[in-house]
Amino acid sequence: AQKVTQAQTEISVVEKEDVTLDCVYETRDTTYYLFWYKQPPSGELVFLIRRNSFDEQNEISGRYSWNFQKSTSSFNFTITASQVVDSAVYFCALSDRANQAGTALIFGKGTTLSVSS
Amino acid sequence: KAGVTQTPRYLIKTRGQQVTLSCSPISGHRSVSWYQQTPGQGLQFLFEYFSETQRNKGNFPGRFSGRQFSNSRSEMNVSTLELGDSALYLCASSFRGQGVVDTIYFGEGSWLTVV
Repeated sequence: AQKVTQAQTEISVVEKEDVTLDCVYETRDTTYYLFWYKQPPSGELVFLIRRNSFDEQNEISGRYSWNFQKSTSSFNFTITASQVVDSAVYFCALSDRANQAGTALIFGKGTTLSVSS
Repeated sequence: KAGVTQTPRYLIKTRGQQVTLSCSPISGHRSVSWYQQTPGQGLQFLFEYFSETQRNKGNFPGRFSGRQFSNSRSEMNVSTLELGDSALYLCASSFRGQGVVDTIYFGEGSWLTVV
């Protein structure tokens, strides 16, 4: 069965600290996709990144960076110099390729990040 | 371009009633999926529609149904509402290329409260 684990339920940091959100996944598929989303209190899931299983390059986008390691089935997300606006719930998700006709995301339980000034 | 639009944003229903939620995908996107988010179960996949056909279905009872129109807009319906159906219902759209899982964009959701 496919599964996504975000072991950190809540993280609290002070502004300008770096913070890493962990994501561990399980899948038997050789081709799969991983996503990170941010959910502010308004409810909308804001897309952050999509990565396929064949691309193990790390990615950096501004203060955000992602470390994908197939050997440990992890796709961790780091925010550098955190800001109060980064406070939100962050979700890691895995595409479900069991049904080739469709795409369904399997989400982790989310990590609530609180950044204080 | 406009994002995924969901209506209504908030609604309150009584047990036993039914509800219909609407979703307009991003222009050009042909796949629409629905998810339920609750504090206890987290985010769970309901179903996906592509070209007016249901392509994938999550593990929900038959009270949950949906449809997609020729313009890719989608609706989901929940009949005989139960208190446990109180949740944030999120719609997502994607282009859905051949053999590729495209980026999936979400709307702001519809907050349903069943009393």
